[in-house]
Amino acid sequence: TQLLEQSPQFLSIQEGENLTVYCNSSSVFSSLQWYRQEPGEGPVLLVTVVTGGEVKKLKRLTFQFGDARKDSSLHITAAQPGDTGLYLCARRANDYKLSFGAGTTVTVRA
Amino acid sequence: NAGVTQTPKFQVLKTGQSMTLQCAQDMNHNSMYWYRQDPGMGLRLIYYSASEGTTDKGEVPNGYNVSRLNKREFSLRLESAAPSQTSVYFCASWGRSYNEQFFGPGTRLTVL
Repeated sequence: TQLLEQSPQFLSIQEGENLTVYCNSSSVFSSLQWYRQEPGEGPVLLVTVVTGGEVKKLKRLTFQFGDARKDSSLHITAAQPGDTGLYLCARRANDYKLSFGAGTTVTVRA
Repeated sequence: NAGVTQTPKFQVLKTGQSMTLQCAQDMNHNSMYWYRQDPGMGLRLIYYSASEGTTDKGEVPNGYNVSRLNKREFSLRLESAAPSQTSVYFCASWGRSYNEQFFGPGTRLTVL
């Protein structure tokens, strides 16, 4: 059973379009991380959100943490082929173990 | 700094064979982790080592053993490989203040 549910599972869009991926849980988490994984490589941290309602921006990427700290979203504006990858959300437990969602595979077509 | 390194990058085994996956980090991190990644399932924790000299089971430890050889190195051993262990294996370590996990490039293992 996935503690974190990510949707959609796959997303294919044209360069220049916007996209949003979601990460949801039935339980509250103290902090949530978003990682991006490119083919043949390990995940790389994009951002950590810790405060309910928090919004963080990383260039064209906007991350939101829900007010109740049960959900998060990642929005990419004007997607580029370099944004292609697997986007993973992960919950950091108090013992520092990470629990990952299944991920959203994003493909941006040129 | 090389970060987290893993060897080998690819491996094919026959059912019943054994092998050890090697992992090393040069960032002086205390805690290290082994995950497996399967399609549609994200990363699942196999074993971890919170500090040198300690190891603990994660979510899916059956069929695996680990050794924290020293602060730098954390190996994962498959004693008798099974087709269900076909996966991509990642080693990772936490940075200072547990703000970011650093991952190795992965080992793609196929068990026939």
